[in-house]
Amino acid sequence: KNQVEQSPQSLIILEGKNCTLQCNYTVSPFSNLRWYKQDTGRGPVSLTIMTFSENTKSNGRYTATLDADTKQSSLHITASQLSDSASYICVVSRSVGNTGGFKTIFGAGTRLFVKA
Amino acid sequence: DAGITQSPRHKVTETGTPVTLRCHQTENHRYMYWYRQDPGHGLRLIHYSYGVKDTDKGEVSDGYSVSRSKTEDFLLTLESATSSQTSVYFCAISEGQQNEQFFGPGTRLTVL
Repeated sequence: KNQVEQSPQSLIILEGKNCTLQCNYTVSPFSNLRWYKQDTGRGPVSLTIMTFSENTKSNGRYTATLDADTKQSSLHITASQLSDSASYICVVSRSVGNTGGFKTIFGAGTRLFVKA
Repeated sequence: DAGITQSPRHKVTETGTPVTLRCHQTENHRYMYWYRQDPGHGLRLIHYSYGVKDTDKGEVSDGYSVSRSKTEDFLLTLESATSSQTSVYFCAISEGQQNEQFFGPGTRLTVL
């Protein structure tokens, strides 16, 4: 079954600290993996995208890693800020059929709280 | 935000009434999607469109219908709303199926 599981469900950290969010997936055949940030009351916004051949991608203080062999990804946030408080969603796409179609599977997200 | 608006932003309705949510884009993207987001679940695809008058079902399509008569508009209709359809609904757009999806601000629907 094609699934995306994220951990932890929620996390509280102090401002300035680092944190790492995890994503495990069973999606096959794998096409790409994205991390989205969703602020409260808003739609998700893409942070990074990685394909099979990429094992790390950075976007400012956000660094995503991908291990396609173990089907795991992580999102590392460095020197957290209050504005990092949000949900972080792991999204995996898989190819479907022989006509170039794709399906996207969303994880339930990790809710991050950054405290002053 | 990538030129996507949703209307209404909030709606309260009663069980059994029809409801239509609208998604409007100014990006001329081919693909448009409707998702629902509920606590403890990831975003779940209801329906999507790959062109004018071209739509397909997602994983939770029962009780919902869609229409796309123009590139810029994608309508989601609940024929007869039920309490289980209380949720936050997000519209998204993308150039292609593999491309990044850009999300609208969401519509919070409450069915009493």
